[in-house]
Amino acid sequence: DIVMTQSPDSLAVSLGERATINCKSSQSVLYSSNNRNYLAWYQQKPGQPPKLLINWASTRESGVPDRFSGSGSGTDFTLTISSLQAEDVAVYYCQQYYTTPPCTFGQGTKLEIK
Amino acid sequence: QLQLQESGPGLVKPSETLSLTCTVSGGSMSSSSYYWGWIRQPPGKGLEWIGSICYSGSAYYSPSLKSRVTISVDTSKNQFSLNLNSVTAADTAVYYCARHPSRGCSGGTCYFYPFDYWGQGTLVTVSS
Repeated sequence: DIVMTQSPDSLAVSLGERATINCKSSQSVLYSSNNRNYLAWYQQKPGQPPKLLINWASTRESGVPDRFSGSGSGTDFTLTISSLQAEDVAVYYCQQYYTTPPCTFGQGTKLEIK
Repeated sequence: QLQLQESGPGLVKPSETLSLTCTVSGGSMSSSSYYWGWIRQPPGKGLEWIGSICYSGSAYYSPSLKSRVTISVDTSKNQFSLNLNSVTAADTAVYYCARHPSRGCSGGTCYFYPFDYWGQGTLVTVSS
């Protein structure tokens, strides 16, 4: 099974500043035949279910603000929030879908306001 | 707009069976394009996939829970269900149902895309 490891576990960033969350997979999630990374990011606000933000490592879902961006390839990925807003306080999870089942998530990164 | 809603007891005794149902509205479950999954989240912890099923009844389970889990589907009611037996306090969690598109099958295994629709979740506490 592919193990997903996020860093840091928690992060405090000032409003308007950049937030960066990392995700590392235990094996590559890049499918060579289509050059796509099978990596998704979710946002979970307190008391809510997770919400799919980004798939294919860098494609924002409809309605997701463009301050959210995903990057990386192979085994190393990054979720960046370019200018942190108060409503971005949440826990963020990465998930690989290169080999499913099983579906495996990172342990989560808690993002707070400094 | 597709909606999913979990239902079931909020309290289960140790060693008994946890049973939950997810009702899907705003769309039909009867499509090979989608799988329907259960994910849980212990209080203050991360997400754990339990298993997924498609309308035909083909199901996949987490290796760590496989011996205790059964997921079933009732397309006539647009529902799918989770049974987890021999529960302990470690099974206390918010249980979510969710949809994820299928990306086809090969070699007897089917592959999934990310979860795109989620229920609100239901807290199940295991306690005597």
